[in-house]
Amino acid sequence: DADVTQTPRNRITKTGKRIMLECSQTKGHDRMYWYRQDPGLGLRLIYYSFDVKDINKGEISDGYSVSRQAQAKFSLSLESAIPNQTALYFCATSDPKTSGFGTQYFGPGTRLTVL
Amino acid sequence: RKEVEQDPGPFNVPEGATVAFNCTYSNSASQSFFWYRQDCRKEPKLLMSVYSSGNEDGRFTAQLNRASQYISLLIRDSKLSDSATYLCAVNSVAGNMLTFGGGTRLMVKP
Repeated sequence: DADVTQTPRNRITKTGKRIMLECSQTKGHDRMYWYRQDPGLGLRLIYYSFDVKDINKGEISDGYSVSRQAQAKFSLSLESAIPNQTALYFCATSDPKTSGFGTQYFGPGTRLTVL
Repeated sequence: RKEVEQDPGPFNVPEGATVAFNCTYSNSASQSFFWYRQDCRKEPKLLMSVYSSGNEDGRFTAQLNRASQYISLLIRDSKLSDSATYLCAVNSVAGNMLTFGGGTRLMVKP
């Protein structure tokens, strides 16, 4: 079984709808991240969390919110989806103590299309 | 200027060729550097870290040039299976996260 899972894997929705993307991990890592990827723009950080009570905005947090329900779960919400939020979304985890600072483990991604 | 920049490519090379990509970063205080590999429509995976003294792992060599603020990835004896997008990552200005470049696409042809 994958260590980092994301649901749904694909989603098509309409402008104005509320969408939640979910991420679960079995790696026992405290740190979790949400990124979006657009062609040619690499991975851009939306939000990150270093433990259950810690939530931080990333580079492009406008239009998004997150919830860290437990160490293993980190959800990303789009309160009112708009077409320019169409992208590939990745969740990632890390634990600098056990696997070094730069090692992040990514989920398989969620492809979101907003019409 | 973007914090981390890469030539998007694609780099089209024949099997067996040697190919190199660079990645430039803007923050001279950056301390940690990494190369990730991403196959088409898949998640990125760490390929290797980049140390000040350079780092070699089989056919892959990563180097850091602090004076010119870039890191490089050299792939020798390219295989078809090396076809992928290579993302560089640098610890962010805040120091706690990674900032990724846009990726360089490599296509190895028979």
